[in-house]
Amino acid sequence: QKEVEQDPGPLSVPEGAIVSLNCTYSNSAFQYFMWYRQYSRKGPELLMYTYSSGNKEDGRFTAQVDKSSKYISLFIRDSQPSDSATYLCAMSGLTGGGNKLTFGTGTQLKVEL
Amino acid sequence: EPEVTQTPSHQVTQMGQEVILRCVPISNHLYFYWYRQILGQKVEFLVSFYNNEISEKSEIFDDQFSVERPDGSNFTLKIRSTKLEDSAMYFCASSGASGSPTQYFGPGTRLLVL
Repeated sequence: QKEVEQDPGPLSVPEGAIVSLNCTYSNSAFQYFMWYRQYSRKGPELLMYTYSSGNKEDGRFTAQVDKSSKYISLFIRDSQPSDSATYLCAMSGLTGGGNKLTFGTGTQLKVEL
Repeated sequence: EPEVTQTPSHQVTQMGQEVILRCVPISNHLYFYWYRQILGQKVEFLVSFYNNEISEKSEIFDDQFSVERPDGSNFTLKIRSTKLEDSAMYFCASSGASGSPTQYFGPGTRLLVL
């Protein structure tokens, strides 16, 4: 079983739709959960990070963590064509800095006009 | 807004040649990382570096790889004798000392080994 699983998509939605992106994981040691956005041939850009189970909101983005189910989600409200990118979930195990990230494969999202 | 920078953006080399990839992390960060992403695959951890030494490395990071912080600003990844399978996008990342685990990535160096 892979440590982090993510549906690669592609996922195509109309502008204004609510998008749900998900990852599951198997390693109980993961404590921090991050979502990155990656445009084609660019570096990952940090969107949000969460620690505890529950929801965290930032503008049109909501990150959700369910540690009991080992399941995390990113919701994008009122999706825009500029949201078209690959979304990567990433996780780390230790508190503090100096810790490697384990990434999902990424979900490719296209928001159509 | 501070950002991680990387040079060169693209590098083409012959198999067996040495390459050095350069990174300038965010200035007040203390933890530095290299990751790679083979085309169409996921981002993979290579190595983390703190206080002038490697703190963790992956199985990918074998004796052909080395990292160095030669001065107060640069962080380098050296591949001594490149192989075809080293062709990938290499990302540098850094994180601060505040206890936040979030890492900020550079734009990457695309390495092509012929």
